[in-house]
Amino acid sequence: DTEVTQTPKHLVMGMTNKKSLKCEQHMGHRAMYWYKQKAKKPPELMFVYSYEKLSINESVPSRFSPECPNSSLLNLHLHALQPEDSALYLCASSQDRTPNYGYTFGSGTRLTVV
Amino acid sequence: RKEVEQDPGPFNVPEGATVAFNCTYSNSASQSFFWYRQDCRKEPKLLMSVYSSGNEDGRFTAQLNRASQYISLLIRDSKLSDSATYLCVVDGGANNLFFGTGTRLTVIP
Repeated sequence: DTEVTQTPKHLVMGMTNKKSLKCEQHMGHRAMYWYKQKAKKPPELMFVYSYEKLSINESVPSRFSPECPNSSLLNLHLHALQPEDSALYLCASSQDRTPNYGYTFGSGTRLTVV
Repeated sequence: RKEVEQDPGPFNVPEGATVAFNCTYSNSASQSFFWYRQDCRKEPKLLMSVYSSGNEDGRFTAQLNRASQYISLLIRDSKLSDSATYLCVVDGGANNLFFGTGTRLTVIP
């Protein structure tokens, strides 16, 4: 069982839909991340939240909108996505900004845009 | 030049074999190094951190050579359950980790 919980596990959405991905951790970690992973590729960083503030946005299109309501929760709001956005979306957390102990990943949301 | 480079494999080895993976990184200021394991259609899971003095966890041994900016992972007595993709991961500072493309291992009965 992973200590970072992501919901839903699978999502199919149309290009005009609005949906949200959710991530939760109760390890007291103060940094949380969204990654995108395409098949047979490594994860690509999208956003970093550190102490509930957005610290990194890797030039992600505005159709992806992150939100960190509190130190345990991280959301990713999706709107007007394209089929090429279909991927595995991974949430991760770490103790703080310095990744000395690595990241703990959630099991991901497999997103298909139709 | 990529931040982290790995041989993508695939490595197909018989059960019981010893297999080694290598990885090079470009940022000489990197301080933290990891090996992650990723099973098909699953999330990456931390296998082990890599320390300057080298470290061992059961059948797994990780080595770091800072002078050559090189990291290795040795798996002894391979099991079928070791079949996975192994990701070399290096910190890039500023709250970022760089992932290699992964090395795919298949252990054959």
